[in-house]
Amino acid sequence: NAGVTQTPKFRILKIGQSMTLQCTQDMNHNYMYWYRQDPGMGLKLIYYSVGAGITDKGEVPNGYNVSRSTTEDFPLRLELAAPSQTSVYFCASLGQGPDTQYFGPGTRLTVL
Amino acid sequence: DAKTTQPPSMDCAEGRAANLPCNHSTISGNEYVYWYRQIHSQGPQYIIHGLKNNETNEMASLIITEDRKSSTLILPHATLRDTAVYYCIVRARPNTGNQFYFGTGTSLTVIP
Repeated sequence: NAGVTQTPKFRILKIGQSMTLQCTQDMNHNYMYWYRQDPGMGLKLIYYSVGAGITDKGEVPNGYNVSRSTTEDFPLRLELAAPSQTSVYFCASLGQGPDTQYFGPGTRLTVL
Repeated sequence: DAKTTQPPSMDCAEGRAANLPCNHSTISGNEYVYWYRQIHSQGPQYIIHGLKNNETNEMASLIITEDRKSSTLILPHATLRDTAVYYCIVRARPNTGNQFYFGTGTSLTVIP
């Protein structure tokens, strides 16, 4: 199993540009999450999904959108990038059995 | 989910036991205590979790007080690779939202 994979690893955006952060898991997990982590801070939940077709907002959803058309994929969309969205973005999935989250390696995004 | 309080930073000598405390005085009866760690710039990694009994696995031990208002994560023989930020999280299980709320954690530095 590859676990949770994220692309790209790094990205620089200009203010107002859009992009999609990709997240894929091959563990057949129903639950998936997007977090952001600002320098020196803990993780904050952006959006999460409890299964294909079902998504919900976390603590900091403004400026982001998600979709969940398959169990494997949970992309995060930034429509109008702002400097405040400069952060490291982590995707995670959660299995029913051990009830622990598995995290991807992260995407480091800079908005200039 | 209940809030947790952790010291912002700790040092530990290599080869000694690292004892990381966590206060969760408002924990409810159905909330578990989880510990994750984040090694520099990587995604968080699950360590251990428990409800009321002490737990041990190949990575660490978790000691939960009888009143469940605090817990201690023990790394029995800390190595330099254990230098990381450690997060204590309390969370109901099962949790239909399945959200994990990460605080700022404890930054553990293992000193040679």
